[in-house]
Amino acid sequence: SQQGEEDPQALSIQEGENATMNCSYKTSINNLQWYRQNSGRGLVHLILIRSNEREKHSGRLRVTLDTSKKSSSLLITASRAADTASYFCATDGGKETSGSRLTFGEGTQLTVNP
Amino acid sequence: DGGITQSPKYLFRKEGQNVTLSCEQNLNHDAMYWYRQDPGQGLRLIYYSQIVNDFQKGDIAEGYSVSREKKESFPLTVTSAQKNPTAFYLCASSIGVSWREGHEDTQYFGPGTRLTVL
Repeated sequence: SQQGEEDPQALSIQEGENATMNCSYKTSINNLQWYRQNSGRGLVHLILIRSNEREKHSGRLRVTLDTSKKSSSLLITASRAADTASYFCATDGGKETSGSRLTFGEGTQLTVNP
Repeated sequence: DGGITQSPKYLFRKEGQNVTLSCEQNLNHDAMYWYRQDPGQGLRLIYYSQIVNDFQKGDIAEGYSVSREKKESFPLTVTSAQKNPTAFYLCASSIGVSWREGHEDTQYFGPGTRLTVL
């Protein structure tokens, strides 16, 4: 089954509201990453959180990690219409995978209405 | 201007044909990856290469082949054995072999190739 699974599958909010997306995973990890994909485009890396970190901030992004629950959340504050995209979490599988291979979840489709 | 490029952007294949998707990077990355994405789905790993002249199967390698003769290039061939090849194909690269436990190895993606079987 999928290593990373996002929840919800789709989220629709108004501009200015906050958006929260969750990710669950199954195996141990060294780090967890979040990526963004605009429709029909490649993915862009947003933020990485290490397994020994609990929270990380980058601009309007806040990521939390709970390794005991094998879950992470991505919070986008004061959302803008330009934030409309799909968001994916990706895990490296810790010691169980080789090198820098990542496993991606199914993604959350975020729509921010102006 | 560093980056990763894919060509063509759109590709049409007839039944029984092999087609090759190009992926080139000038980021001096050791590792490169090919993913398949179906509508509304996440990414599934087809093949990856951590160093020149070496590559490993991902989760859905059947019907695909790759080569890694140069550090900059990682072409993907979709063979006639791939029964349902219509999808969006994404190539990515990362620093790779210099990765070590705890090192932050993020992936950089190309713009993708949309393959349609006619």
